[in-house]
Amino acid sequence: TAGITQAPTSQILAAGRSMTLRCTQDMRHNAMYWYRQDLGLGLRLIHYSNTAGTTGKGEVPDGYSVSRANTDDFPLTLASAVPSQTSVYFCASSYDRAGANVLTFGAGSRLTVL
Amino acid sequence: KQEVTQIPAALSVPEGENLVLNCSFTDSAIYNLQWFRQDPGKGLTSLLLIQSSQREQTSGRLNASLDKSSGRSTLYIAASQPGDSATYLCAVSDSGGGADGLTFGKGTHLIIQP
Repeated sequence: TAGITQAPTSQILAAGRSMTLRCTQDMRHNAMYWYRQDLGLGLRLIHYSNTAGTTGKGEVPDGYSVSRANTDDFPLTLASAVPSQTSVYFCASSYDRAGANVLTFGAGSRLTVL
Repeated sequence: KQEVTQIPAALSVPEGENLVLNCSFTDSAIYNLQWFRQDPGKGLTSLLLIQSSQREQTSGRLNASLDKSSGRSTLYIAASQPGDSATYLCAVSDSGGGADGLTFGKGTHLIIQP
């Protein structure tokens, strides 16, 4: 089934360690996004990429970095994790950046930073 | 800054009832509005997308309306079923039209009692 694959599904990480959350889509969507979802705060955009080779900052980019070397992959890296980065992370994609295009979401990666 | 509010935060109704979920937003200069469904431990699934020039969209038992001037949208669910139990989120795209400009509400947690 076409869609978005996120890995790992769940991870416990010691503070100060680095971590990369992986996201791969097979729909040939141009635009990809990383969100975090926290109780009481809802979904917030971390970084996005409108097309391969370009990235942009969302609402809460600090402490995170992304790369978009090709159309299919959009990894999210935490260089030095802190407890406030404990969250559920969702990768999403759309055909292009236009808001008229429906977003497709992955199943999420639950990260706990101790 | 756009703010999106969903009321109520939680709702429990008997099976078979018709119900309305509400979404309000502070800046009426939007490009579109989307309704999503999220099942526990899963990602978001798009239900309906309404362009700013439209008044409503329908899909099966779901009907979403948009009143841009008053900053409101409703999601009407007819003949509710236990399988409709989920969290429903609305998201508003800013006037720039990019999916990177989406602002999400915090959702309404819906329980349909068998």
